[in-house]
Amino acid sequence: ELKVEQNPLFLSMQEGKNYTIYCNYSTTSDRLYWYRQDPGKSLESLFVLLSNGAVKQEGRLMASLDTKARLSTLHITAAVHDLSATYFCAVDIPGTASKLTFGTGTRLQVTL
Amino acid sequence: GAVVSQHPSRVICKSGTSVKIECRSLDFQATTMFWYRQFPKQSLMLMATSNEGSKATYEQGVEKDKFLINHASLTLSTLTVTSAHPEDSSFYICSARGWGLEGEKLFFGSGTQLSVL
Repeated sequence: ELKVEQNPLFLSMQEGKNYTIYCNYSTTSDRLYWYRQDPGKSLESLFVLLSNGAVKQEGRLMASLDTKARLSTLHITAAVHDLSATYFCAVDIPGTASKLTFGTGTRLQVTL
Repeated sequence: GAVVSQHPSRVICKSGTSVKIECRSLDFQATTMFWYRQFPKQSLMLMATSNEGSKATYEQGVEKDKFLINHASLTLSTLTVTSAHPEDSSFYICSARGWGLEGEKLFFGSGTQLSVL
């Protein structure tokens, strides 16, 4: 059974600070996704990582993938309040084409 | 870009009634759609895989008679919560595979908040 764990589960950080969210998964996978969810809303796609060593950046967020370590990171640079949300990583269940197992989620709170 | 529309966004119903949630792929064909549920402050759990023209595949522990899935066309899947009870109250989200700027990706509906009184 594929397990996906994120840490931390909750993160409170000040504006302007940097931090990293970690996503570990238990078996090999084709793709790793990062999503953002605001309260009461659905998921907003942030990144899709397809291969070992993949790195993608969008604004203050940067995601990377190490398939050998089965680890992905989401790095936040100079956080701003608007980044406050819950972030999920998700991994394709091998051989099932787009059937996802989601991580536990990290609730990020950026304080002024 | 590909869009998945989900309706209703919010529904309140009495215990014992049935509720239907629709998930439509607006500008692409989706042979496969997925249904997730999410309890407050928790992650998303896959309930079932909806396959156009065939029976849905349910995850372990999900009652197929309770959560009826129909995928009658390439652009529409429906989830019916039958004889709803308060413990069925949850946020339900559908997703479908489509093509974006970076190739194939999953698109998520806007979600349905179900509250059973």
